[in-house]
Amino acid sequence: GAGVSQTPSNKVTEKGKYVELRCDPISGHTALYWYRQSLGQGPEFLIYFQGTGAADDSGLPNDRFFAVRPEGSVSTLKIQRTERGDSAVYLCASSRSGGADTQYFGPGTRLTVL
Amino acid sequence: KNEVEQSPQNLTAQEGEFITINCSYSVGISALHWLQQHPGGGIVSLFMLSSGKKKHGRLIATINIQEKHSSLHITASHPRDSAVYICAVRIGTGNQFYFGTGTSLTVIP
Repeated sequence: GAGVSQTPSNKVTEKGKYVELRCDPISGHTALYWYRQSLGQGPEFLIYFQGTGAADDSGLPNDRFFAVRPEGSVSTLKIQRTERGDSAVYLCASSRSGGADTQYFGPGTRLTVL
Repeated sequence: KNEVEQSPQNLTAQEGEFITINCSYSVGISALHWLQQHPGGGIVSLFMLSSGKKKHGRLIATINIQEKHSSLHITASHPRDSAVYICAVRIGTGNQFYFGTGTSLTVIP
């Protein structure tokens, strides 16, 4: 596609529920990043994929968070047993091959946990 | 601990003014990224720098590796420049970018 897309744009869920957030990167980009942005803060790194593998998942806050990219393109961020503190905008970015390549960001998914 | 500090946090300018936004970082980096985020909108990449200076239209970005400092300049500012400007750094050869909290710019007509 022309840019990075994310779905849904907004997600409201109840505490304890499971959610999945989807990211479609720019076609041909091998690197994919997930970030979380809380109100008034800069984005915070969660996980980085190079191809199908999670090359760096050191930013995932705990084991309730998991992400996959089974075919090296679309990625899904999965959050189990959601908590109110998980409420944030979840951003996805892709770059041609990672490293210092320019990252292109999606519009984000606003997650609200009630 | 915040590896990236931006100043000012908020900035209001009159249309036409020259604007400078600063970014300081505390560790060695291999790249620095300036990003623009409009309210309710996505993040757009402005510049990726590892040394020197880059210019695109009315935007100029500079970096001083020795001083661990970068500046983003906007010449002849316009209300459509109103946005949050975010600095992000790549530390060493790692995969993570560390982001500042952003500078919120409002340009008044």
